[in-house]
Amino acid sequence: SSELSQPLSVSVALGQTATITCAENNIGDKNVHWYQQKPGQAPVLVIYGDTNRPSGIPERFSGSNSGNTATLTITRVQVGDEADYYCQVWDNRIARVFGTGTKVTVL
Amino acid sequence: EVQLVESGGGLVQPGGSLRLSCAASGFTVSNNYMSWIRQAPGKGLEWVSVIYSGGLTYYAATVEGRFTISRDNSKNILYLQMNRLRVEDTALYYCAGMTTGDAFDLWGQGTMVNVSS
Repeated sequence: SSELSQPLSVSVALGQTATITCAENNIGDKNVHWYQQKPGQAPVLVIYGDTNRPSGIPERFSGSNSGNTATLTITRVQVGDEADYYCQVWDNRIARVFGTGTKVTVL
Repeated sequence: EVQLVESGGGLVQPGGSLRLSCAASGFTVSNNYMSWIRQAPGKGLEWVSVIYSGGLTYYAATVEGRFTISRDNSKNILYLQMNRLRVEDTALYYCAGMTTGDAFDLWGQGTMVNVSS
C-alpha cells in the first residue's frame, strides 16, 4: 500500500478559499474520498468519488482529482471549518489508505 | 436513525486480548462493507480491517495474524477480536460502514484501547 502525502497545515483567512492537496503517483486513476475531523469527534465524509458531496455537506466543499494530485477546496471558509482533513483511496482492492492529514486553521 | 456504537475497549497488558463490538441500528451490517479504523493519540487515521458483504476479510499488515474481524448477522453487530496486543495498538478504534461505494460514510464514536503494562 502507499502513503498519501498532504501538507501538515493550511492557514486561511475567514471568508477566503482553502485548498488541501493529496499527492500520490497516478492518484488521478483512483477514487479519492475526503474526511473532516473536528477535535474529539469522529471523522465525517465530505467528498466521495473525487467530486461528490454527501447529503448535508455544504456546496462550499468541492473536490477534484487529476494526474498525481487530488484537491479538496473549501470556499468562503468559516470558523466551523477548522478541522483536520484526510484524503483516502482504495488501494489494490484491499487496503483503505489514508493521507497524512492536514490541519486547517482559520485566521 | 442510523447509528453505530462501539464498545469493549479498555486497558490491557501487552500480549493480552480484547474483543471490540460495534452495534448497528437503522443499518444492516451484513448488507454492507464494514471496517475498523484506528487513531493513535494525536496521530492520523489508520485503516485496520474490512469485511465485505460476501464475507471476505482483509487486514492491514500491522495487525494481520493477530486481529480477526467478524459479524453476527442475527444481532447486527460487528466485532474485532484483538490478540497478542502491543503497546503500538493503543488507539481509539472506530467502526465504519461503507454504503456509498467504497467511502466510509457511517462512523461510530469510537472505543479506546490502551495497551500498557
